[in-house]
Amino acid sequence: QQQVKQSPQSLIVQKGGISIINCAYENTAFDYFPWYQQFPGKGPALLIAIRPDVSEKKEGRFTISFNKSAKQFSLHIMDSQPGDSATYFCAAIFTGGGNKLTFGTGTQLKVEL
Amino acid sequence: KAGVTQTPRYLIKTRGQQVTLSCSPISGHRSVSWYQQTPGQGLQFLFEYFSETQRNKGNFPGRFSGRQFSNSRSEMNVSTLELGDSALYLCASSRSASGASRETQYFGPGTRLLVL
Repeated sequence: QQQVKQSPQSLIVQKGGISIINCAYENTAFDYFPWYQQFPGKGPALLIAIRPDVSEKKEGRFTISFNKSAKQFSLHIMDSQPGDSATYFCAAIFTGGGNKLTFGTGTQLKVEL
Repeated sequence: KAGVTQTPRYLIKTRGQQVTLSCSPISGHRSVSWYQQTPGQGLQFLFEYFSETQRNKGNFPGRFSGRQFSNSRSEMNVSTLELGDSALYLCASSRSASGASRETQYFGPGTRLLVL
């Protein structure tokens, strides 16, 4: 059962453009939603995270938008750069679930010059 | 501050063998979680250990097991390897065991296991 659905599977964006990755979750017990960035040969690294009582969180060029009623959240990368080319994973976790992260399937982003 | 280290980085085994992977968390971190990453299934949670106790377990067969030592280092073991066990095995560490504390989990580079 895929509890966190992520789209698109891959994305090509021109340098300076906006990259948008979407996720939807099913389990309403989830109460914390981190995004991870993974480069080839590396483990995932936390990028930005949001709680469901906040509709938007911005850190630099990265913004999470959260729609609790729709059970959807998205990552926006503004002014995308070639160095942003990586695989992005949304994830969800819930209080009482320890540190168990439920991940989306990943989006491979390529930013072209 | 040293990051999460995993050894070995690469491993080739044959079907039926067993394998042990090691993870050293960031100094001061007491929680270690393990994940399996494959192209088909993505990142899937295996188990979590805190203070030498398994706190959480994913939906994997009993062939997958783990343990944690008093110094927080953790090992996972896969017995009777199958071709489908070929994957990148990632370990993540954090200070606490509770997701509610919103402690950041730091991932190691992973051990890439190939089963032939």
